[in-house]
Amino acid sequence: GENVEQHPSTLSVQEGDSAVIKCTYSDSASNYFPWYKQELGKRPQLIIDIRSNVGEKKDQRIAVTLNKTAKHFSLHITETQPEDSAVYFCAASPMFSGGYNKLIFGAGTRLAVHP
Amino acid sequence: DVKVTQSSRYLVKRTGEKVFLECVQDMDHENMFWYRQDPGLGLRLIYFSYDVKMKEKGDIPEGYSVSREKKERFSLILESASTNQTSMYLCASGPGGANTEAFFGQGTRLTVV
Repeated sequence: GENVEQHPSTLSVQEGDSAVIKCTYSDSASNYFPWYKQELGKRPQLIIDIRSNVGEKKDQRIAVTLNKTAKHFSLHITETQPEDSAVYFCAASPMFSGGYNKLIFGAGTRLAVHP
Repeated sequence: DVKVTQSSRYLVKRTGEKVFLECVQDMDHENMFWYRQDPGLGLRLIYFSYDVKMKEKGDIPEGYSVSREKKERFSLILESASTNQTSMYLCASGPGGANTEAFFGQGTRLTVV
């Protein structure tokens, strides 16, 4: 089945620096790649996603890149702020023949942004 | 605004008990999911359902079963709770079809003693 690996498991940066989180997936049929942010004690929430027909997507300080050939995708956060501190999860969605899909998550990255 | 509600925020059960975790969504979503969250292991899929009375095993279904009698409700059942099932359980729902977002509930922290 699909497997998603995520690195690093922890990341510590100074406020204003950039942060990069990388994920690789195993199923070449995967075609949807969301990123979720989970703040302490809260539910995971979607922050950005990318579909297999594009290589990059940007939303203000957050960007995601996708390399389908290499089967990896990355989250880039620029000008980090203390409120960016959270656990970030990547996910990949393999398509089933029945037309329904499920999300397979990476193990998560705990990002700490220090003032 | 999508709402996914889990019946309990915290739950303490004894070993061997049958445990029901309930999840309700109010957006008429086709897909519903149960994940388990453990430190260092991320979110692991237990079961999912793409329609009423339809279910598929995820990556870690052993010791669990599910029920979806109505579209809005997806229940996770621990047939005989064990201490290694102590975890955070997250329910999610999604519209269905290709490339869909999952909306999560607030989670149920289950402790089995």
